[in-house]
Amino acid sequence: QQQVKQSPQSLIVQKGGISIINCAYENTAFDYFPWYQQFPGKGPALLIAIRPDVSEKKEGRFTISFNKSAKQFSLHIMDSQPGDSATYFCAASVIFTGNQFYFGTGTSLTVIP
Amino acid sequence: GAGVSQTPSNKVTEKGKYVELRCDPISGHTALYWYRQSLGQGPEFLIYFQGTGAADDSGLPNDRFFAVRPEGSVSTLKIQRTERGDSAVYLCASSLGTLGAEAFFGQGTRLTVV
Repeated sequence: QQQVKQSPQSLIVQKGGISIINCAYENTAFDYFPWYQQFPGKGPALLIAIRPDVSEKKEGRFTISFNKSAKQFSLHIMDSQPGDSATYFCAASVIFTGNQFYFGTGTSLTVIP
Repeated sequence: GAGVSQTPSNKVTEKGKYVELRCDPISGHTALYWYRQSLGQGPEFLIYFQGTGAADDSGLPNDRFFAVRPEGSVSTLKIQRTERGDSAVYLCASSLGTLGAEAFFGQGTRLTVV
């Protein structure tokens, strides 16, 4: 059973455009929602994360929007660059039980120059 | 070391053989996680250590899988009687173990069972 559902599976964006990736979850106990970026042959690297007490978090060109009532959260990449081309995973965890993550299935982002 | 180190980076083994995968976490990190990533999928949780003990092993798929962390640092994931379905990238991550501490992932070990 997939605890975190992610869409789209793949995304192609022009350089300078906005990339949007969406995730949804069912378990209301989740209280930590990170996004990871993964390049081929590398492990995932933390990009940005949010707790459910805020609706939005921005770090540079990356923004997480969080809708607690809908149990959805999304990643927005502004001014997308070719170097952003990678696979992005959303995840969710319960911090107090050890913070093991439930990952989405990933979104392959390609930014065209 | 500077990051989480996993060895070997690639392992090819025959069906039915035993394999060991090693993880060297970041120095000082008390929490250590093992995940398995199949092709085109997100990482799937296997086991979590806090110090030397397995705090949560609910993700281990069956009793062929076992992991240890005897001194609270290096961890070894052991797979007995390997099957072709065990082929995947096995990822290790570590963190300081405090609430909300960032987890840092290694580059993974690609296991291929032929």
